[in-house]
Amino acid sequence: EVQLLESGGGLVQPGGSLRLSCAASGFPFGDFAMSWVRQAPGKGLEWVSLITDDAPFYADFVKGRFTISRDISKKTLFLQMNSLRAEDTAIYYCTKMEGHPMTKWWLDYWGQGSLVTVSS
Amino acid sequence: QSVLTQPPSVSGAPGQRVSISCTGSSSNIGAGCDVHWYQQLPGTAPKPLIYENSNRPSGVPDRFSGSKSGTSASLAIAGLQAEDEADYYCQSYDSSLNVYVFGTGTKVTVL
Repeated sequence: EVQLLESGGGLVQPGGSLRLSCAASGFPFGDFAMSWVRQAPGKGLEWVSLITDDAPFYADFVKGRFTISRDISKKTLFLQMNSLRAEDTAIYYCTKMEGHPMTKWWLDYWGQGSLVTVSS
Repeated sequence: QSVLTQPPSVSGAPGQRVSISCTGSSSNIGAGCDVHWYQQLPGTAPKPLIYENSNRPSGVPDRFSGSKSGTSASLAIAGLQAEDEADYYCQSYDSSLNVYVFGTGTKVTVL
């Protein structure tokens, strides 16, 4: 059974940093691309970042501030978030990607989400 | 802002059929990029409902169906049930922006 378990969320002041982790199990972690998707309170879904074969991709609104990485040996996905802003407040979901090629990818498994609140 | 547009809400009586549209452009749906659909029940994480335009993941009832034409896609729910009350999102890839994009989301209400 595929499981994705996020951790590391919490309250942080504007300009601060936070690192999210996602522990994966139930599938060959290194064989699949992984993404972070976020959802601001009462709002829709927003793709944040993707990692595949150790090549990262980012939405424009996080470029230069967020860094995605993964430790295949520990089956863990990370999202380092720096220079956080109030508008980054959201639930952050860890997701597994499926499909081929890249333009067809969809998100077949989601974690339960980790809440990040940026406020003074 | 989202590049895929959905109606904010749709509603129907139990047993009825409802449809949700997802309108994109020539750089995403119209460029041949597949459309996928997700269901988000209140207070829970989204889950996949339709992938690659019209395929259902294992366990999804055949009451849910998807289609795509031109720069738009649609999700249909036949035989609407109370448990279908949720938010629904479409998702695709934008070949101009080189990002994955979600629709604005549609709230389905069962009357």
